[in-house]
Amino acid sequence: ETGVTQTPRHLVMGMTNKKSLKCEQHLGHNAMYWYKQSAKKPLELMFVYSLEERVENNSVPSRFSPECPNSSHLFLHLHTLQPEDSALYLCASSQDLLSPLHFGNGTRLTVT
Amino acid sequence: GQNIDQPTEMTATEGAIVQINCTYQTSGFNGLFWYQQHAGEAPTFLSYNVLDGLEEKGRFSSFLSRSKGYSYLLLKELQMKDSASYLCAVREDTDKLIFGTGTRLQVFP
Repeated sequence: ETGVTQTPRHLVMGMTNKKSLKCEQHLGHNAMYWYKQSAKKPLELMFVYSLEERVENNSVPSRFSPECPNSSHLFLHLHTLQPEDSALYLCASSQDLLSPLHFGNGTRLTVT
Repeated sequence: GQNIDQPTEMTATEGAIVQINCTYQTSGFNGLFWYQQHAGEAPTFLSYNVLDGLEEKGRFSSFLSRSKGYSYLLLKELQMKDSASYLCAVREDTDKLIFGTGTRLQVFP
């Protein structure tokens, strides 16, 4: 149990589908993050939320849409994805923006 | 621009000591983190350095030299379970943590 739970663990979707990734943290943290991890590439920061306000949008295509309804939950809505979007999507939380991150186990996404 | 360099792969023997280096060039610096990631699992936090010097935590130590843009992670008394990827990350600004590509360490008996 990492304290950060992501669902689903695996997702296969077509390019015309709409799906959502869910993240929940049980640590009482105030900041939440989405990262993308592709093979042989560094973890790429996608979005940062602090106290439910988005503080970073790292030039991510609009086919990825984050939602943070409260400090414990974070969603990533996906639509009309491309095959190159296939990757491991990691959610993380931290007490504040300066503290270490606690990661979930990720959602392995395959776009066909 | 921003750049974080680590060796891609390293191998070592059980019981030995291994040092994983990380060099960075970033526009700002608010601390350096090391994470461990086993295959198919979440990265887990190992250490944090914001001032120059050595931070020791059990079998793991991390060193930072801000003037040289350099850090290393030292793993002592290696165990088979230490086989994993080790990620170096620099907090460039308050809300931006930049990761290196990671060093895959294989420990052999």
